[in-house]
Amino acid sequence: DTEVTQTPKHLVMGMTNKKSLKCEQHMGHRAMYWYKQKAKKPPELMFVYSYEKLSINESVPSRFSPECPNSSLLNLHLHALQPEDSALYLCASSQLSGVNTEAFFGQGTRLTVV
Amino acid sequence: AQSVTQLGSHVSVSEGALVLLRCNYSSSVPPYLFWYVQYPNQGLQLLLKYTTGATLVKGINGFEAEFKKSETSFHLTKPSAHMSDAAEYFCAVSPSGNTGKLIFGQGTTLQVKP
Repeated sequence: DTEVTQTPKHLVMGMTNKKSLKCEQHMGHRAMYWYKQKAKKPPELMFVYSYEKLSINESVPSRFSPECPNSSLLNLHLHALQPEDSALYLCASSQLSGVNTEAFFGQGTRLTVV
Repeated sequence: AQSVTQLGSHVSVSEGALVLLRCNYSSSVPPYLFWYVQYPNQGLQLLLKYTTGATLVKGINGFEAEFKKSETSFHLTKPSAHMSDAAEYFCAVSPSGNTGKLIFGQGTTLQVKP
């Protein structure tokens, strides 16, 4: 299994809503990532989890709250978002050591904030 | 700081023609380099990677890239374009040791004309 599964595929939420994005992998990877991709732009790193602990937060606003409940799951909790937060949110995972440490990406969640 | 520059935001080729997508990197340490492809409304798929060793790297779907340290380049080529190659291509660099923490170039849109 070389898949990273993200749910939901599409999400529309109001600025006062609370929602969560989910990501799951069963490749035994011990690093997981959230990226944000605006239209016609490259992905930008938001968060990195290593061994289920947050290791990097790229100065992301607190309305985005990541969570890593176990080594296979990664969540991104959303609250009080702004329309400019509309984007494709990509989850990725990778090994942290060894030969094959490249990142595997999920299909993304297309988020629209109204 | 590491960075990636992709020359040409849009490349158009005829079906069967050579594909050449250019990538130059800036890195103060030996880089890990990647090419990813993104089809519309999809996540990113790894085409190929350079970490160490052989400088000519072969990837999936007939793509290859050559790492040239003297030119700080990692250009992507394919001898004969197919219609199915039309997509967005991203070159990326990562700090040594964590290849999921990626810095992407701006991307190149490849158009393949019949």
